Amino acid sequence: DSGVTQTPKHLITATGQRVTLRCSPRSGDLSVYWYQQSLDQGLQFLIQYYNGEERAKGNILERFSAQQFPDLHSELNLSSLELGDSALYFCASSRSIQETQYFGPGTRLLVL
Amino acid sequence: AQSVTQLDSQVPVFEEAPVELRCNYSSSVSVYLFWYVQYPNQGLQLLLKYLSGSTLVKGINGFEAEFNKSQTSFHLRKPSVHISDTAEYFCAVNGIQGAQKLVFGQGTRLTINP
Repeated sequence: DSGVTQTPKHLITATGQRVTLRCSPRSGDLSVYWYQQSLDQGLQFLIQYYNGEERAKGNILERFSAQQFPDLHSELNLSSLELGDSALYFCASSRSIQETQYFGPGTRLLVL
Repeated sequence: AQSVTQLDSQVPVFEEAPVELRCNYSSSVSVYLFWYVQYPNQGLQLLLKYLSGSTLVKGINGFEAEFNKSQTSFHLRKPSVHISDTAEYFCAVNGIQGAQKLVFGQGTRLTINP
């Protein structure tokens, strides 16, 4: 158990819908990262937050957004969902910048 | 920018045999290197990491990896595998400076046969 929690574990929704994925980092970790794992793209970095502020952006679609709250938990919002958004979404956290990232169990999203 | 190539998508081995999973990377800056393991229907677990110092890194579950700067490689080895090592293994890098995002290889599926 890495100490990073993600909810929900599974999510099934329809095209065009909007969902919110939640991540609670390890106790004391200030940085949160979101990754997407899909069969065709593999594991890809989406976005990083550090102590509430966006720090780095990767291949994140404009339909996706994220934020980190004062209690350091983070949410990833996916809107106007398409079939191709079906994937495993991981959250990771680290103590600070340039420290080892520890991954949560992931949220499996299925868009029908 | 960094990139990672895992040279084998699947590696089948017999139980108690040695195994090597190959990883090569490309980067214009110095990097940190990682191996993560993903067991079926689970998240990613850190196996080991290279930040600096000794190029031979020991990790959990008897795994080790060697950083070779001249060959830009970070191969993962285990002298004797067990059925429980069946999983997908990911090599990853991030630049020492700049955006702290992990760049992953495509993964190697290790299958242990009895």
